[in-house]
Amino acid sequence: GQQLNQSPQSMFIQEGEDVSMNCTSSSIFNTWLWYKQDPGEGPVLLIALYKAGELTSNGRLTAQFGITRKDSFLNISASIPSDVGIYFCAGITQGGSEKLVFGKGTKLTVNP
Amino acid sequence: ETGVTQSPTHLIKTRGQQVTLRCSSQSGHNTVSWYQQALGQGPQFIFQYYREEENGRGNFPPRFSGLQFPNYSSELNVNALELDDSALYLCASSLDRGETQYFGPGTRLLVL
Repeated sequence: GQQLNQSPQSMFIQEGEDVSMNCTSSSIFNTWLWYKQDPGEGPVLLIALYKAGELTSNGRLTAQFGITRKDSFLNISASIPSDVGIYFCAGITQGGSEKLVFGKGTKLTVNP
Repeated sequence: ETGVTQSPTHLIKTRGQQVTLRCSSQSGHNTVSWYQQALGQGPQFIFQYYREEENGRGNFPPRFSGLQFPNYSSELNVNALELDDSALYLCASSLDRGETQYFGPGTRLLVL
């Protein structure tokens, strides 16, 4: 079945550093999404990407939809302690299916 | 405007029992999707309901069933519980099919 390979699995960084994480797949996706999940909560949407090559920012977050439609990355600049959490990429495929296919997540720890 | 709510927050059951989880969608949303999130994994799509009809199903056995009511709230029923059913069950609502999905906080189910 469809699978998203998300890396790295975990990251330990110092406050103020920039962070980059990515997702790849052997399948083509029409939409890429990035979510953040805090402990005991559901995922919260950070950025949505709808076109190949699209680069979108949301504050300190920037994400890109790969040209091949098989990958996406998320960058966080000048990290702060509240950036701690698990970041998931998710994709929606062509063909009318509405389901989100999720990666396994990147756990981010920010040391003050 | 209230977001997506789920009940109960936590639940403990034993193998073989049946469970019903509930979800109230965000106001104005007619589509509800259910996901299972095992520990350390990304959410896995179970099924989606659109205007009271099932609109897509993931790779889950028939003992996972659902319902959507005229007010667009939804239930997830799991029969003959197995130990591997222990997970966080997430509900997401969207304004319409194909629109952005907003997640609730989830129900954590433990099967002993």
